[in-house]
Amino acid sequence: GENVEQHPSTLSVQEGDSAVIKCTYSDSASNYFPWYKQELGKGPQLIIDIRSNVGEKKDQRIAVTLNKTAKHFSLHITETQPEDSAVYFCAASSNNDMRFGAGTRLTVKP
Amino acid sequence: DTGVSQNPRHKITKRGQNVTFRCDPISEHNRLYWYRQTLGQGPEFLTYFQNEAQLEKSRLLSDRFSAERPKGSFSTLEIQRTEQGDSAMYLCASSRGQGNEKLFFGSGTQLSVL
Repeated sequence: GENVEQHPSTLSVQEGDSAVIKCTYSDSASNYFPWYKQELGKGPQLIIDIRSNVGEKKDQRIAVTLNKTAKHFSLHITETQPEDSAVYFCAASSNNDMRFGAGTRLTVKP
Repeated sequence: DTGVSQNPRHKITKRGQNVTFRCDPISEHNRLYWYRQTLGQGPEFLTYFQNEAQLEKSRLLSDRFSAERPKGSFSTLEIQRTEQGDSAMYLCASSRGQGNEKLFFGSGTQLSVL
């Protein structure tokens, strides 16, 4: 089955700096890669996703890149703000089997 | 679109008791998923339904766990003879049902087994 590794587990940045979170996956059949943000006491919320036929996708301050050959994908947040502080999860999905990474706790210091 | 609703938000129970959680998915979403999340970990897949049919169950889902979605709308997850190791956040998610698509999560039910 799919195995998703995510790093770093914690990340602290200064407000305005960029943050990068990286994930690797094992199943070459995975073709859908969403990123979720989870705030305390809430369920994960989708922030951006990418499919295997696309190498990069951007939505305002958030971008995701995918390297299918190397089986890794990354989340980039630019101009970070304190409200970006949360736990971020990557996931990889194939045949309706979505597996999540262990999460990255991002802290943006004002 | 009122979002995925889960009840209760918190449940404290004694070891050996049975508990039941409810999930109301986004209306017209055909798929409904149950995940379990422990502290510092990502959600772990438990099971999912396509309409009323339970199509897949994880090996994490022991015989003490049972899930139903009788009319293809809301779902219940029951844990019998709870153990301390069952303490976790139980998350429900729904999707349109086209496969490999975004999941919409509820806020979860936090279970504490004493």
